[in-house]
Amino acid sequence: AAGVIQSPRHLIKEKRETATLKCYPIPRHDTVYWYQQGPGQDPQFLISFYEKMQSDKGSIPDRFSAQQFSDYHSELNMSSLELGDSALYFCASSPRTGENYGYTFGSGTRLTVV
Amino acid sequence: SQKIEQNSEALNIQEGKTATLTCNYTNYSPAYLQWYRQDPGRGPVFLLLIRENEKEKRKERLKVTFDTTLKQSLFHITASQPADSATYLCAPLDGGRRALTFGSGTRLQVQP
Repeated sequence: AAGVIQSPRHLIKEKRETATLKCYPIPRHDTVYWYQQGPGQDPQFLISFYEKMQSDKGSIPDRFSAQQFSDYHSELNMSSLELGDSALYFCASSPRTGENYGYTFGSGTRLTVV
Repeated sequence: SQKIEQNSEALNIQEGKTATLTCNYTNYSPAYLQWYRQDPGRGPVFLLLIRENEKEKRKERLKVTFDTTLKQSLFHITASQPADSATYLCAPLDGGRRALTFGSGTRLQVQP
């Protein structure tokens, strides 16, 4: 079965550079969520989209932005990268009635800022 | 502020025993509570969802209880196996907000 696809799997960037992470949700899942997980931390919710509109916002820094496109894939754009942005970034998707199904997470993008 | 508390220390049990993990929450009125499993470096995997009007939910060797009076959910793994070793995350979900907030997770280690 198709899963949530994230790219790239690994990314190394220098401080103050920009990064773009991509997420392709499960077909017919119209809600996408982004999470950040630092070492030894639980996943922290960043932002979510439903039908290409932002639906919920968590602890996303102002340096980050995200959008969902017409084909439902989503991109997380990160600018002025800091060492503290080094983390695993997960994307998850769910049907609109997600309460009954749970989220499906991708394998994540490991971002290392040097 | 909202808080989700899970056993902060790792839980070590012997293979074949029942593992019981606790999730306590404050300042939530969850319509649902979800449990996930996470292996190191991997994304969380959805296990079970329980609704506020359900006391108990089972799936194979897994059982979840939900006590809205105590503001607590218990997650049980019966006949535990070394392959069950992982971090288990709980996530209560208010009806109004759709994005999950996770507890800090409990690391379970099942010894052969």
